[in-house]
Amino acid sequence: GQNIDQPTEMTATEGAIVQINCTYQTSGFNGLFWYQQHAGEAPTFLSYNVLDGLEEKGRFSSFLSRSKGYSYLLLKELQMKDSASYLCAVMDSNYQLIWGAGTKLIIKP
Amino acid sequence: IAGITQAPTSQILAAGRRMTLRCTQDMRHNAMYWYRQDLGLGLRLIHYSNTAGTTGKGEVPDGYSVSRANTDDFPLTLASAVPSQTSVYFCASSETGGADTQYFGPGTRLTVL
Repeated sequence: GQNIDQPTEMTATEGAIVQINCTYQTSGFNGLFWYQQHAGEAPTFLSYNVLDGLEEKGRFSSFLSRSKGYSYLLLKELQMKDSASYLCAVMDSNYQLIWGAGTKLIIKP
Repeated sequence: IAGITQAPTSQILAAGRRMTLRCTQDMRHNAMYWYRQDLGLGLRLIHYSNTAGTTGKGEVPDGYSVSRANTDDFPLTLASAVPSQTSVYFCASSETGGADTQYFGPGTRLTVL
């Protein structure tokens, strides 16, 4: 079967760094996406990785290891507005997204 | 408008009633999707359409139907609602339906009693 695993909840301090991990097992692989979702709102796109390595975009970076079925999202210089759920999704061989349940990130002052 | 709109924002529905959730995009994207999001679960694909005139079944299609008469609109119909269809429904679109980014509408919160 297809499976995406990520922690249910994480807590971090404003100004710190946090790493959210995602492991996956899917039928085929056409890339891994990270989305941010604030409570009561729609998911919004953060990053896309299809090749191994680190992609940096401002305060956010995303890493992929296809051989290990593993990705992480790194958030630096945390701000209160980063309090949200972070969704990991893998695009399978049919170009359909398989979604993790999301990681709720709580930022404390 | 720019992006994806959904209507209604929220709805309370009696079991057994028919309901259509509306979705419109103005980005001229070829592909559109319907997902449901339930607490503790990832987004699950209900139906999708890679281009106007074609539709396909996702992971959880039972009890739902869709149509794609034109590029912009992708309505989702519940023929006879049941309480297990209580959920938040998101419509999304992407440019090609391949390995490209999906953009989401604001969602419809549906409660079936």
